[in-house]
Amino acid sequence: DAGVIQSPRHEVTEMGQEVTLRCKPISGHDYLFWYRQTMMRGLELLIYFNNNVPIDDSGMPEDRFSAKMPNASFSTLKIQPSEPRDSAVYFCASIPPGGANEQFFGPGTRLTVL
Amino acid sequence: GDSVTQMEGPVTLSEEAFLTINCTYTATGYPSLFWYVQYPGEGLQLLLKATKADDKGSNKGFEATYRKETTSFHLEKGSVQVSDSAVYFCGFEGGSEKLVFGKGTKLTVNP
Repeated sequence: DAGVIQSPRHEVTEMGQEVTLRCKPISGHDYLFWYRQTMMRGLELLIYFNNNVPIDDSGMPEDRFSAKMPNASFSTLKIQPSEPRDSAVYFCASIPPGGANEQFFGPGTRLTVL
Repeated sequence: GDSVTQMEGPVTLSEEAFLTINCTYTATGYPSLFWYVQYPGEGLQLLLKATKADDKGSNKGFEATYRKETTSFHLEKGSVQVSDSAVYFCGFEGGSEKLVFGKGTKLTVNP
């Protein structure tokens, strides 16, 4: 079975550019989470969706960050404009219905903003 | 507020040594508790879990017991291997399927 798929795996961009990270959850899963991981702050929950609807976006750091889930098989996290402090690994995770809280994580996107 | 405090790393051990990674939590009620593991270059994956007081979760030789009285869920393994080198995250269910994680503990096992 395919796991959670994230693209790109690595992204290097310059400050001020728009960055779009993509996630395909496991088919049939109805929750989707976006996390950011840095050495300083550890793993932070940014936003999560249930049945494509955003439930809690209180972790989104500022208006430069936005996330969408247009359908059950696709989500994007967009940063516009990007800044060097956004450099991190961004993970997507999903949970199946009745999944007893086990989150299935993707391999992550390593973002570097120069 | 809800939080997880886990042992600061990094932890470096020799192969076959005993491992303990301490974890305590602050939460409302009695949430399910988890340990996740992150191998280099990968996402997190569930290692073990416990859903109620005194439950013991176990997997791959790792164990952790849900201690309600001390709000703890310490991770242990009797004999670590080089392949156990990874970052370990303690966490609990924070409601609405959301997980609250600790900052992670990096373990390095030397041959």
